Amino acid sequence: GDSVTQMEGPVTLSEEAFLTINCTYTATGYPSLFWYVQYPGEGLQLLLKATKADDKGSNKGFEATYRKETTSFHLEKGSVQVSDSAVYFCALIQQGGSEKLVFGKGTKLTVNP
Amino acid sequence: DVKVTQSSRYLVKRTGEKVFLECVQDMDHENMFWYRQDPGLGLRLIYFSYDVKMKEKGDIPEGYSVSREKKERFSLILESASTNQTSMYLCASSSPQGGETQYFGPGTRLLVL
Repeated sequence: GDSVTQMEGPVTLSEEAFLTINCTYTATGYPSLFWYVQYPGEGLQLLLKATKADDKGSNKGFEATYRKETTSFHLEKGSVQVSDSAVYFCALIQQGGSEKLVFGKGTKLTVNP
Repeated sequence: DVKVTQSSRYLVKRTGEKVFLECVQDMDHENMFWYRQDPGLGLRLIYFSYDVKMKEKGDIPEGYSVSREKKERFSLILESASTNQTSMYLCASSSPQGGETQYFGPGTRLLVL
């Protein structure tokens, strides 16, 4: 079945450091790919998404590129802030099929001042 | 703004009790979902619904049931709560016309004693 693997955390960075959170997937066909973020005490919210190969999703300084050849969707940010401290989830959904999201296990990011 | 609300943020119940978790969305979404979130396991789908009175099992339906009598409301029922159902429960909704994005509620943290 479909699956998502993301780097295990926790990840601790200093403010203004570069962030990469790796995400790879296994799926038949051409899924849509997502990054969701969960701030402390809150539910998940969509951070960015990409629906086809070579698409780049971006939001709030975060970026991720849909790489079909490496089945990856790595999340990057050039300069993190304390307010970026959260848990980040990579996810996929099969296009044209079920509306079900398949999530990775999440990566907790802590940014220190 | 899409709003998904859950009836309680925190809930404490005793083993064997029947527990109802309510979720309401205000965007006329067809799809609604219940997940549980546990440390190290990420989000796992319990049940989902594509329409009123329709339901389908997710990955971990055992010990749970659901009800969707109205389009905006999706209830998760623990028929006889057990300690291994202590978890964070997240509700989400989406629309086929909404680009597959799921919108999440704030979550209910359930403790079963």
